Amino acid sequence: GQQLNQSPQSMFIQEGEDVSMNCTSSSIFNTWLWYKQDPGEGPVLLIALYKAGELTSNGRLTAQFGITRKDSFLNISASIPSDVGIYFCAGPRSNTGNQFYFGTGTSLTVIP
Amino acid sequence: NAGVTQTPKFRILKIGQSMTLQCAQDMNHNYMYWYRQDPGMGLKLIYYSVGAGITDKGEVPNGYNVSRSTTEDFPLRLELAAPSQTSVYFCASSKGQFTGELFFGEGSRLTVL
Repeated sequence: GQQLNQSPQSMFIQEGEDVSMNCTSSSIFNTWLWYKQDPGEGPVLLIALYKAGELTSNGRLTAQFGITRKDSFLNISASIPSDVGIYFCAGPRSNTGNQFYFGTGTSLTVIP
Repeated sequence: NAGVTQTPKFRILKIGQSMTLQCAQDMNHNYMYWYRQDPGMGLKLIYYSVGAGITDKGEVPNGYNVSRSTTEDFPLRLELAAPSQTSVYFCASSKGQFTGELFFGEGSRLTVL
């Protein structure tokens, strides 16, 4: 099946630091999505990217759709304790758009 | 606003038992999904539905069944529970294809002993 690989697998950072994580695929994606999962909750959509090269921001979060269409990046600036959680990239199978594959996740811990 | 509601939140099953995880959404979404989440493995799609009466297999459908008799409800059935089905199960819905915004329930934690 489709494999979305995220790195790093986990991060431990000090409050106020910037964070970068990425997601790569063996296949081309037409849409890249970034979700965050708080402990004990379901994932929530943070940013959606629909065009190669697109750069989109949502507050302190910025995501980019890689020009090869096989990768995407998420940056968080000036991290705060509530940024703690697991961040997932996701994308649809290009032929139907009905099935969304999720990456393996990046677990973020912010140390106050 | 209820959104996507899953029941039960927790359940312990014995090997070979059967059960149904319930999922209901009140957003009039056509698309609904069942995922399972294992530690360090992300979310794997079990089954999905694009509308009432239509269901299809995802990445890991073996050992599960679904039905979609109404737009609102999308139950997931485990017929013969196995330890490999110990996981957290998430139901999700979306307005349409390609949009990418899936609305998730809070999850159902299932343990099979």
